[in-house]
Amino acid sequence: GAVVSQHPSWVICKSGTSVKIECRSLDFQATTMFWYRQFPKQSLMLMATSNEGSKATYEQGVEKDKFLINHASLTLSTLTVTSAHPEDSSFYICSATPSGRAQETQYFGPGTRLLVL
Amino acid sequence: GQNIDQPTEMTATEGAIVQINCTYQTSGFNGLFWYQQHAGEAPTFLSYNVLDGLEEKGRFSSFLSRSKGYSYLLLKELQMKDSASYLCAVRPDYKLSFGAGTTVTVRA
Repeated sequence: GAVVSQHPSWVICKSGTSVKIECRSLDFQATTMFWYRQFPKQSLMLMATSNEGSKATYEQGVEKDKFLINHASLTLSTLTVTSAHPEDSSFYICSATPSGRAQETQYFGPGTRLLVL
Repeated sequence: GQNIDQPTEMTATEGAIVQINCTYQTSGFNGLFWYQQHAGEAPTFLSYNVLDGLEEKGRFSSFLSRSKGYSYLLLKELQMKDSASYLCAVRPDYKLSFGAGTTVTVRA
């Protein structure tokens, strides 16, 4: 099956710092990747769609200047939480669908738990 | 917007059967997915329906009725490890919209 990795799995940072989260498709290429956020006991909320070689598409209410997304290659997308604050503490999950196989399920990474002190 | 409803919690006994219902109203329809998510982990894919009918995969089955905007996930021969959150997700276009999830607790 298709494997998606995320790094780091855990990060604790001070308020005001920036945190970068990497999402990699290990055995397939992904033109499109997705970034989700999940608060405790809530469902996944899509933050943005990451498109290789072009700008990300952000969902309504998500600040694009705060959550910077870069999708520089067909196997890597990064999410940078800039000037993180305690309210940004959450579980961030990426997913990807193999290029040319858009009808398949999205394959999810293991998630990154962010705690901002 | 998209509207996807599923029960918040369900409890069942080990070895029993549980059915998790999901109703949806979305701007389009390009498939319905069920995912299992254990606490603190990412979702894992269980099933996919795009046509009406039943899809069976081992102990798990999923049903879809597009005209009714309705799906269910059937878990048979429940095991303790099945205790998890089950997420119904609809793909109106190329993105997924998730329901709030149903927490299933399996008791001995």
